[in-house]
Amino acid sequence: EAEVAQSPRYKITEKSQAVAFWCDPISGHATLYWYRQILGQGPELLVQFQDESVVDDSQLPKDRFSAERLKGVDSTLKIQPAELGDSAMYLCASSRGQTASGELFFGEGSRLTVL
Amino acid sequence: AQSVAQPEDQVNVAEGNPLTVKCTYSVSGNPYLFWYVQYPNRGLQFLLKYITGDNLVKGSYGFEAEFNKSQTSFHLKKPSALVSDSALYFCAVRDSNSGYALNFGKGTSLLVTP
Repeated sequence: EAEVAQSPRYKITEKSQAVAFWCDPISGHATLYWYRQILGQGPELLVQFQDESVVDDSQLPKDRFSAERLKGVDSTLKIQPAELGDSAMYLCASSRGQTASGELFFGEGSRLTVL
Repeated sequence: AQSVAQPEDQVNVAEGNPLTVKCTYSVSGNPYLFWYVQYPNRGLQFLLKYITGDNLVKGSYGFEAEFNKSQTSFHLKKPSALVSDSALYFCAVRDSNSGYALNFGKGTSLLVTP
């Protein structure tokens, strides 16, 4: 069964350092999402891609966060510099396209701890 | 904005008893509603969705959900709970205003005791 791959699964870093997360969606899925899930809360959308184009990054803190999907396949989410409040699970999801009825398929997530 | 609310932080139920996890929604237009489950330190797994049609939707692992338009609710149910059902459950609604991403509720922790 095809899955969304994410790495690393766990990352511990000190504040002010740079961190990066990688996501490889299910093959053929044109739409890719990055969500942030703070402990005890639901996932919140950071950025959405359709192929290589950004569809929505209105909730992405652009002063320190960046995301790219250069070839419309895998994607990288970067944080620089990391702050204590960035400690969270970063979830990547993909779907076949921008449709109302299609479900999202999630990876296992990357848990970030900022010390 | 399209949103969902999960009024309960935690639901406790004994194994073998029926369970209900509540969700209400607020949307403009037709609601597209989803339930996901999350086990500790794992990603979210899709359980079921309501798009149109029958108000009772059947999903994975014996779960079902009842869509009620008049009460704007989409409660998750299971006739007989298992200890292995203990997990975090998230209700979500499709955000048709912005790229069709999912907007999630805050989650409900389900604890099934033996």
